[in-house]
Amino acid sequence: ETGVTQTPRHLVMGMTNKKSLKCEQHLGHNAMYWYKQSAKKPLELMFVYSLEERVENNSVPSRFSPECPNSSHLFLHLHTLQPEDSALYLCASSQPTGTLLGNEQFFGPGTRLTVL
Amino acid sequence: AQKVTQAQTEISVVEKEDVTLDCVYETRDTTYYLFWYKQPPSGELVFLIRRNSFDEQNEISGRYSWNFQKSTSSFNFTITASQVVDSAVYFCALSVTIKAAGNKLTFGGGTRVLVKP
Repeated sequence: ETGVTQTPRHLVMGMTNKKSLKCEQHLGHNAMYWYKQSAKKPLELMFVYSLEERVENNSVPSRFSPECPNSSHLFLHLHTLQPEDSALYLCASSQPTGTLLGNEQFFGPGTRLTVL
Repeated sequence: AQKVTQAQTEISVVEKEDVTLDCVYETRDTTYYLFWYKQPPSGELVFLIRRNSFDEQNEISGRYSWNFQKSTSSFNFTITASQVVDSAVYFCALSVTIKAAGNKLTFGGGTRVLVKP
């Protein structure tokens, strides 16, 4: 099993659809992250979960709804998205660092989302 | 607020040439980490190197080396004797703590490196 997996790898949806992105990590980490990578902006942090508790919501619109049922799984539920939400959505995991900031994040391959 | 700037958007070199990527960062935190990640065409970000704010010693790891200068808030990265497989987008990132749990990475805009045979 590779460290961080994401499904689906590609997703095309209409603006009225509801879909979910899934992320699973097999590294025994306790923190998980969602990032958005669009063509015209740097990688943007969306959400952080540490020990299954959301600790960061980076001013993300409510049409994106994260869920972390356990430390190995992270979901991003999508509804009524806009075409500008088309992007690569990356999931990552790491150990919670506390005062230790150096733990690198391990990334999945991403889900390429297209909103029509 | 944190900010990371990579002024070079694209660099093209011929194989075996050295490539240096520039990174400048801004933060008010006194404790932080700096990273370099590589994103090949497959999309997955791969961790390359890490340096904390208290250690300005520059190191070499294989073909990678880095130059961290706190006085100028720069964290430059060099690939020595580049290879075609080094072609990718390279991201510099700054890590600060979030409420003593997890860490928050702020990324630069990335530099696309194209190594031609």
